[in-house]
Amino acid sequence: AQSVTQLDSQVPVFEEAPVELRCNYSSSVSVYLFWYVQYPNQGLQLLLKYLSGSTLVKGINGFEAEFNKSQTSFHLRKPSVHISDTAEYFCAVTHQTGANNLFFGTGTRLTVIP
Amino acid sequence: KAGVTQTPRYLIKTRGQQVTLSCSPISGHRSVSWYQQTPGQGLQFLFEYFSETQRNKGNFPGRFSGRQFSNSRSEMNVSTLELGDSALYLCASSLVDRVGGYTFGSGTRLTVV
Repeated sequence: AQSVTQLDSQVPVFEEAPVELRCNYSSSVSVYLFWYVQYPNQGLQLLLKYLSGSTLVKGINGFEAEFNKSQTSFHLRKPSVHISDTAEYFCAVTHQTGANNLFFGTGTRLTVIP
Repeated sequence: KAGVTQTPRYLIKTRGQQVTLSCSPISGHRSVSWYQQTPGQGLQFLFEYFSETQRNKGNFPGRFSGRQFSNSRSEMNVSTLELGDSALYLCASSLVDRVGGYTFGSGTRLTVV
């Protein structure tokens, strides 16, 4: 079985401040990890993914995430947020083989305060 | 290249009716999966199709069904609609090895009244 836990349901942060959105997962098999962003009334947009190799992955819009296998975490970071980063962020995993679907966390609502 | 296209964007249906939603994947993507998003339950997996075969199914009642055509386009159907079926239904497509990630459509917002 697998599960994804996003530890913070809401994160308010001032514009140009750094932010970290936390994600922990558990799985009995090897997984790939993803972060998606959702703007109001839209679908999900892929921010970044971890498949293998370097544990620090860079994505779009200045976001990056670090995979920590020992802590089973995949936290998302941005050194300086903008108003336009206000959105819902979802951490997700999928099995590397077998069933081809995503398991999502409950989401973190990031609100950037001017 | 064109993204994942879902139609219609919005639907209002009455309890007891049935509804069909459509999803056209990115060209070359043969895996199509469906998700239901609600405020209470979050994002939940419905089913996944590959080469016209359902390979995987989530924990939803039999009222929820789907199919995939030879051109990889997919439809999902919900029969005997209930108020609780009101949700954003998202479709995602991917390559079979999933390393490229999943590309989502904009979704269909279904409201059951």
